[in-house]
Amino acid sequence: QKEVEQNSGPLSVPEGAIASLNCTYSDRVSQSFFWYRQYSGKSPELIMSIYSNGDKEDGRFTAQLNKASQYVSLLIRDSQPSDSATYLCAVNENYGQNFVFGPGTRLSVLP
Amino acid sequence: DAGVTQSPTHLIKTRGQHVTLRCSPISGHKSVSWYQQVLGQGPQFIFQYYEKEERGRGNFPDRFSARQFPNYSSELNVNALLLGDSALYLCASRSDGTDTQYFGPGTRLTVL
Repeated sequence: QKEVEQNSGPLSVPEGAIASLNCTYSDRVSQSFFWYRQYSGKSPELIMSIYSNGDKEDGRFTAQLNKASQYVSLLIRDSQPSDSATYLCAVNENYGQNFVFGPGTRLSVLP
Repeated sequence: DAGVTQSPTHLIKTRGQHVTLRCSPISGHKSVSWYQQVLGQGPQFIFQYYEKEERGRGNFPDRFSARQFPNYSSELNVNALLLGDSALYLCASRSDGTDTQYFGPGTRLTVL
């Protein structure tokens, strides 16, 4: 069974620090990877996608992908209390038919 | 542009009842997917529809069914509700040529 795993957390970091969120996946044929942020009681909102090995930066966010290690991560620089949320890693399977989500990592940024 | 919309926002049902949830995708998006998110877990894939045809089905019982209409809106139906069906039901849409999915606000279903 294809799986996506994440540290459940909670992960607590002080304001201004770098938060590092990790995700591993089991399906070697997966081609696209996504990070979503979900505030309590709300729906997931897309942060960024990554398709190629290496780093992809968007503002304070950097996604890193290593397909050989089946590992994807999200770094949040200069963390703010408003970043406190659950971060979901999603992996595309079946060539776009559906996503497999990890259980999410809860991040708490302390003022 | 309006995002994905879902109705109703909240719903309370009793065991054994039937429920219909509705979703309208982002304008121009022909693909709609449904996910179930139980508290404390990530979303689980239920169905994907494209151009009114089912393109994918997750590991859910036959009590779950869905359809897509000519205007690309979609309905998710759940029969014979169980307590374990209590969850946030999410609809997501995507445009042709991409695999990025955008989620609606969800429908919170509570089964008593």
